[in-house]
Amino acid sequence: KQEVTQIPAALSVPEGENLVLNCSFTDSAIYNLQWFRQDPGKGLTSLLLIQSSQREQTSGRLNASLDKSSGRSTLYIAASQPGDSATYLCAVKNSGGSNYKLTFGKGTLLTVNP
Amino acid sequence: GAGVSQSPSNKVTEKGKDVELRCDPISGHTALYWYRQSLGQGLEFLIYFQGNSAPDKSGLPSDRFSAERTGGSVSTLTIQRTQQEDSAVYLCASSLAPQENNEQFFGPGTRLTVL
Repeated sequence: KQEVTQIPAALSVPEGENLVLNCSFTDSAIYNLQWFRQDPGKGLTSLLLIQSSQREQTSGRLNASLDKSSGRSTLYIAASQPGDSATYLCAVKNSGGSNYKLTFGKGTLLTVNP
Repeated sequence: GAGVSQSPSNKVTEKGKDVELRCDPISGHTALYWYRQSLGQGLEFLIYFQGNSAPDKSGLPSDRFSAERTGGSVSTLTIQRTQQEDSAVYLCASSLAPQENNEQFFGPGTRLTVL
């Protein structure tokens, strides 16, 4: 059974700092990995999707990497801003079988202080 | 264009009552998913619909939960005889097919509180 773990559970940083959020998964047979952002009381916003054949994806100040063999992904946020404060969720889609389900981690709660 | 919409945004009900939660997927998306996010837990998969195929109901936690998708578009998740442990945010998502290649786009969720 796929399990996804996110470390740390919570992170507080001053504005302007670069930071890294970590995600690990137990079954490397994945189709893709997706990072989401969730604001309080809101749904999920997709940030980046990395296919299993890719090593990284970039969007603006965000960079996500994927090391499928070791079961790890990182989300790098450059020059953090207070507006980046949210919960960040990592989710994987397994290959084969039920290849439509996303398995989520519990998230990292990020607070960027002005 | 319009994203995934869900209604109601909030629902408070008494234990033992039935509730219906609605999801309107993005137009043209043939795949629809329901997930549940309980306090302190990650999102867990509940049910999946793809076109006219039989849905995958493997994630439904009990037989009090059911879902249908009419006309390949709108979906309704029904919880009968609600219990306090059913309190959670219920999220709906949709995607293009083939579903393994495509991103799932999520709605804002319905926050269900069972008193």
